[in-house]
Amino acid sequence: ELKVEQNPLFLSMQEGKNYTIYCNYSTTSDRLYWYRQDPGKSLESLFVLLSNGAVKQEGRLMASLDTKARLSTLHITAAVHDLSATYFCAVVDANAGGTSYGKLTFGQGTILTVHP
Amino acid sequence: AAGVIQSPRHLIKEKRETATLKCYPIPRHDTVYWYQQGPGQDPQFLISFYEKMQSDKGSIPDRFSAQQFSDYHSELNMSSLELGDSALYFCASSGFTDTQYFGPGTRLTVL
Repeated sequence: ELKVEQNPLFLSMQEGKNYTIYCNYSTTSDRLYWYRQDPGKSLESLFVLLSNGAVKQEGRLMASLDTKARLSTLHITAAVHDLSATYFCAVVDANAGGTSYGKLTFGQGTILTVHP
Repeated sequence: AAGVIQSPRHLIKEKRETATLKCYPIPRHDTVYWYQQGPGQDPQFLISFYEKMQSDKGSIPDRFSAQQFSDYHSELNMSSLELGDSALYFCASSGFTDTQYFGPGTRLTVL
C-alpha cells in the first residue's frame, strides 16, 4: 500500500526566511503533485512533477523530485504572510494498473504559518 | 477558465437521513474523482469514474454510492448518514494532462 509522509507537519516561519518541506513516498511513482489549501477552501494545484530530477518554480516556491530516493521537496524562499496555508503533496502509484491509475494518495499536509 | 462546480456548497442533515452531492467537471474532462476530507485530515479517495464507468474504488462505505451521467456530471449518494460522515467532500476532474482540478467542495454536517 502506498504511503506518503510529509515533514514537518507544522512550520512556523518568519517573513523573509527560507525553509523546505519534505515529502517521502513508499512505492514507485511517476507523478507527484503539490497542492495548497487555505482553511475551509479547495485544493489549488501548484506543481506537477513527472520525472526524476524535475524542478518547477513559481514565485517564491520551488518543487523538485528525486524518484530514486522517492522524495520531493517544496522550497520556500523569502517567505511572506500570503504563503500561510496547508501544503499537501500527493502521489499517483505507478504500480496501480489499468483503471486504478490516477487516484491520489495524499501526505498528511504541512501547516505553514508565516509571521511578520 | 471554467472550473469544477459542486452543489450544494453546504448541507446539514440529521443522522440516518440521505444526502446527494453533485459535481460538474471541467468541460471536456472525462474523469471524475471523489474525495472526503475530515477536519484536520488529508483528503481520502472514495471513488472515480472514467467515461461514465466506475474506474476505481477506495475507502467508500457501502452506504455510499455514486455514478457519472451521460453529460459527465457525477452524483455521490449517501444514505443512513452517521455523525462521522461530517466532512468536506471534494470532486476533482481531469482530462488528457491527468492533473486533477478540485472543486470548491461540499461541507456536510450531520447532526
